[in-house]
Amino acid sequence: NAGVMQNPRHLVRRRGQEARLRCSPMKGHSHVYWYRQLPEEGLKFMVYLQKENIIDESGMPKERFSAEFPKEGPSILRIQQVVRGDSAAYFCASSHGRLEGQPQHFGDGTRLSIL
Amino acid sequence: DQQVKQNSPSLSVQEGRISILNCDYTNSMFDYFLWYKKYPAEGPTFLISISSIKDKNEDGRFTVFLNKSAKHLSLHIVPSQPGDSAVYFCAASGNGNKLVFGAGTILRVKS
Repeated sequence: NAGVMQNPRHLVRRRGQEARLRCSPMKGHSHVYWYRQLPEEGLKFMVYLQKENIIDESGMPKERFSAEFPKEGPSILRIQQVVRGDSAAYFCASSHGRLEGQPQHFGDGTRLSIL
Repeated sequence: DQQVKQNSPSLSVQEGRISILNCDYTNSMFDYFLWYKKYPAEGPTFLISISSIKDKNEDGRFTVFLNKSAKHLSLHIVPSQPGDSAVYFCAASGNGNKLVFGAGTILRVKS
């Protein structure tokens, strides 16, 4: 999946710690989306951002989770006080514009494991 | 509330034959549909999409069919190749941004 870069690829945290996941969109893309995949399930939408703006956060838990896409630098998904249930693969996608005719392209994900 | 359903967890096909993957949806507001392919430890790779104003879209070996009245779409791969073995996800959108994914179908192409 050339283009959308996510790091780290694997992240291990203990319960109560913070997790920070980074996503650099494809060159020229200003729309970023975060999805979470639990084992044996499809991807679930979390949040949609454009530069410096959160457009839709309807899929993101109200507590402990936050996302940003600053004017400069990557998009960050932040999970505070992680719990075992946060263990999942987190995927970032980017697009050039809104979805019609502009498919989202995904990174290879960050696999978060909570001890 | 599963708005996008892929009822076949897995499918096994002989190399050279046709693979047909199915997807059903319940939300009549969906107007854009996509298929993604995913290998283990990688992110989904976009394959093909279709707008609700069409009933068919073709790209090489991949064809997507949309039946709006039945709220059903399918992905045809012909001829199937061993490298097509992967998990295939159907996704839909109705508001121009977020995608709603099915649970995926594992395709195995036997040589």
